[in-house]
Amino acid sequence: NAGVTQTPKFQVLKTGQSMTLQCAQDMNHNSMYWYRQDPGMGLRLIYYSASEGTTDKGEVPNGYNVSRLNKREFSLRLESAAPSQTSVYFCASSVNRGDIQYFGAGTRLSVL
Amino acid sequence: AQKITQTQPGMFVQEKEAVTLDCTYDTSDPSYGLFWYKQPSSGEMIFLIYQGSYDQQNATEGRYSLNFQKARKSANLVISASQLGDSAMYFCAMRRRYGGATNKLIFGTGTLLAVQP
Repeated sequence: NAGVTQTPKFQVLKTGQSMTLQCAQDMNHNSMYWYRQDPGMGLRLIYYSASEGTTDKGEVPNGYNVSRLNKREFSLRLESAAPSQTSVYFCASSVNRGDIQYFGAGTRLSVL
Repeated sequence: AQKITQTQPGMFVQEKEAVTLDCTYDTSDPSYGLFWYKQPSSGEMIFLIYQGSYDQQNATEGRYSLNFQKARKSANLVISASQLGDSAMYFCAMRRRYGGATNKLIFGTGTLLAVQP
């Protein structure tokens, strides 16, 4: 029962470095999402992909890019990391948009 | 603006007792969905229960039930017979319409529940 798998689980970056967070789901879901979780602010949507081949901005997209590589995989890229991007990042998927979202275990990112 | 409010930052409950976690929401959409997620100390987000705005009956899933009061715009989570493993952060979330597509979840700030033996 893998569900939604995120890699890596932890990452430390220096300001200005780049990295890609990976997400894969094995539930044959059409829609996938990236959120960030900051203390006292709940989760906020960064980007989403309603279906393979489409991506759209969420409420906090600045500083991020995404790629829906195929139906299973949805990656999040930080081109030039900033300390403000220190957060816990969650990937989620749902059968279709609007359906129940199932989350990965999260990636804890620190930018120094 | 659409918003979810959880006014209880933290709560204690004795093992085997029932506990209610509060959630109020604000939306002008006639169609919406309400969700509860559990986040244990290990960090993952676990889906618990869902209530649609047109559902006539309150949702139930095992020991979890959702007390949905549409007129008051509240969607409280009730956990019956609390267990030590219920200790976690609980998030209420609402699905809104965003750009014409029903796909965005808005989360509250969460309630930290501690179950005491």
